[in-house]
Amino acid sequence: GDSVTQMEGPVTLSEEAFLTINCTYTATGYPSLFWYVQYPGEGLQLLLKATKADDKGSNKGFEATYRKETTSFHLEKGSVQVSDSAVYFCALRDTGRRALTFGSGTRLQVQP
Amino acid sequence: EAGVAQSPRYKIIEKRQSVAFWCNPISGHATLYWYQQILGQGPKLLIQFQNNGVVDDSQLPKDRFSAERLKGVDSTLKIQPAKLEDSAVYLCASSLDLGARTYEQYFGPGTRLTVT
Repeated sequence: GDSVTQMEGPVTLSEEAFLTINCTYTATGYPSLFWYVQYPGEGLQLLLKATKADDKGSNKGFEATYRKETTSFHLEKGSVQVSDSAVYFCALRDTGRRALTFGSGTRLQVQP
Repeated sequence: EAGVAQSPRYKIIEKRQSVAFWCNPISGHATLYWYQQILGQGPKLLIQFQNNGVVDDSQLPKDRFSAERLKGVDSTLKIQPAKLEDSAVYLCASSLDLGARTYEQYFGPGTRLTVT
């Protein structure tokens, strides 16, 4: 079945550092890939998405590229801020399905 | 536009008791999902409705969990009897999904259930 594997957290960075959160997936079809973010005390929000191989999703300075050859969708940001502190979830939606399969989440802590 | 509403936000019960959660999706959204998020894990789909019909309930523990979506709008999720391992956040999500096209899922704030 479908699965998503994320790097374990917490990831602790200083403000303005470069961020990478690794995500790899297994799917039976041709999935769409997503990053969701959960800020403290808030619900899950879509951060970015990519629907086919080589697509790059981007939002709020975050980027992720759909790499079919390595089955990966790593999240990157060039300069993190304290306000980026949150839990980040990688997810996929496989062909013919509408429900999402999530990874276990990675907590990011950005220190001033 | 109002978001997905859920209630209650928190619930503490003893094992073997019953509990019910309520979800009001975004107006006009055809698809409604219930996910279970155990501490330290990602959300896992329990059940998916398309209007008032069940599309996927393969991960729902049907001996104790039940869900309904009357009139294709609000939904309730019930657990009876609860077990310790049911302690989790229960998330409701909805998406527009017109015809064959799939749209973004919007999540509610969740109900945090603690079973003691």
